[in-house]
Amino acid sequence: DAGITQSPRYKITETGRQVTLMCHQTWSHSYMFWYRQDLGHGLRLIYYSAAADITDKGEVPDGYVVSRSKTENFPLTLESATRSQTSVYFCASKGTNTEAFFGQGTRLTVV
Amino acid sequence: QKEVEQNSGPLSVPEGAIASLNCTYSDRGSQSFFWYRQYSGKSPELIMSIYSNGDKEDGRFTAQLNKASQYVSLLIRDSQPSDSATYLCAVGGDQAGTALIFGKGTTLSVSS
Repeated sequence: DAGITQSPRYKITETGRQVTLMCHQTWSHSYMFWYRQDLGHGLRLIYYSAAADITDKGEVPDGYVVSRSKTENFPLTLESATRSQTSVYFCASKGTNTEAFFGQGTRLTVV
Repeated sequence: QKEVEQNSGPLSVPEGAIASLNCTYSDRGSQSFFWYRQYSGKSPELIMSIYSNGDKEDGRFTAQLNKASQYVSLLIRDSQPSDSATYLCAVGGDQAGTALIFGKGTTLSVSS
């Protein structure tokens, strides 16, 4: 199916573990973004990418790593999960002349 | 630090009334402005985009932009209970790939 999909939808992990959130889009959009959404903070930009192999930090990048070896994929890795990284994570993609489309979100709980 | 400010609400209106949602932004270089709607537990979905000063209408929705005042608004006419959601104001820069900066959202409740 065309669109943008995130996996997993729900994840529980332990403090200190590495966890990777996946994002895949089928539109060949150049731009991709990772946001986290927390009560009281709204959507905050973690990392974004303008093309394969081009990434840049957003507002809250600490503790996260991204890669983009292929245009369609933009995984987000928490190298050593902390409780403060418990959040809902949204991936989004955007073409040059399109709006930004969001994935369904991943609800991550760090215990 | 680029900021987008919205009243968190909740904004409560009766069915059939006009709901008015407001947003201010700090970066004068911003060129693209969006309103997203987010239902509880769901992802944001775009309802309006606006790029130039003035009004833009789409069905029951009207977006208004005033770059001099750094102000964006969304009017929802004939509000319906199904409009009850959180409305997110988002602001982008002058280039296509500039990441959107979001406000914290305004919660709208439409009572029948």
